[in-house]
Amino acid sequence: DGGITQSPKYLFRKEGQNVTLSCEQNLNHDAMYWYRQDPGQGLRLIYYSQIVNDFQKGDIAEGYSVSREKKESFPLTVTSAQKNPTAFYLCASSIAPLADYEQYFGPGTRLTVT
Amino acid sequence: KNEVEQSPQNLTAQEGEFITINCSYSVGISALHWLQQHPGGGIVSLFMLSSGKKKHGRLIATINIQEKHSSLHITASHPRDSAVYICAAPGYGGSQGNLIFGKGTKLSVKP
Repeated sequence: DGGITQSPKYLFRKEGQNVTLSCEQNLNHDAMYWYRQDPGQGLRLIYYSQIVNDFQKGDIAEGYSVSREKKESFPLTVTSAQKNPTAFYLCASSIAPLADYEQYFGPGTRLTVT
Repeated sequence: KNEVEQSPQNLTAQEGEFITINCSYSVGISALHWLQQHPGGGIVSLFMLSSGKKKHGRLIATINIQEKHSSLHITASHPRDSAVYICAAPGYGGSQGNLIFGKGTKLSVKP
């Protein structure tokens, strides 16, 4: 089955620790995205990648980092510089990096930092 | 930058009722997306439409490009339709910019 996987589903970390969220897709999509969702707010774009070895900051990139060494993989690191990291994180992909292509979403990772 | 507004924020319906969720945006676009977020958090794409109307089962999406407005309708609603429905549009009009998402409409359908 083609799709996007994210792991783990739930993640707990102590304040001050970096944590890496996994995102893998086997859809052969060029574009991949990381979103953050907070209660009462719409999805907000953290980083996106249009092609391997390229990535761009989204609206709320501060305190996050990404890499895109393989087409299938787009991991997100939440660093200790992120002031409010507790949130639901969603990874998505699309066949091409234009907003009029359908995006496919992973199941999400719920991160809790205490 | 595009602004995307949804209404209502919350909606409770009885099984069998006809449901309408509204989405308006401020900058002309090439296509609007409707998404469904299940209680567990997973999101699926329902529709992407640039004009007129699309139908899939009991779901119908319409868009009025001139008025910058789209509606999602659910006919003969069922408790399994309970979810958050989200609309999204390109951030800078046309197909430019990444998607801007509305805050979602939380639908609860009671048996």
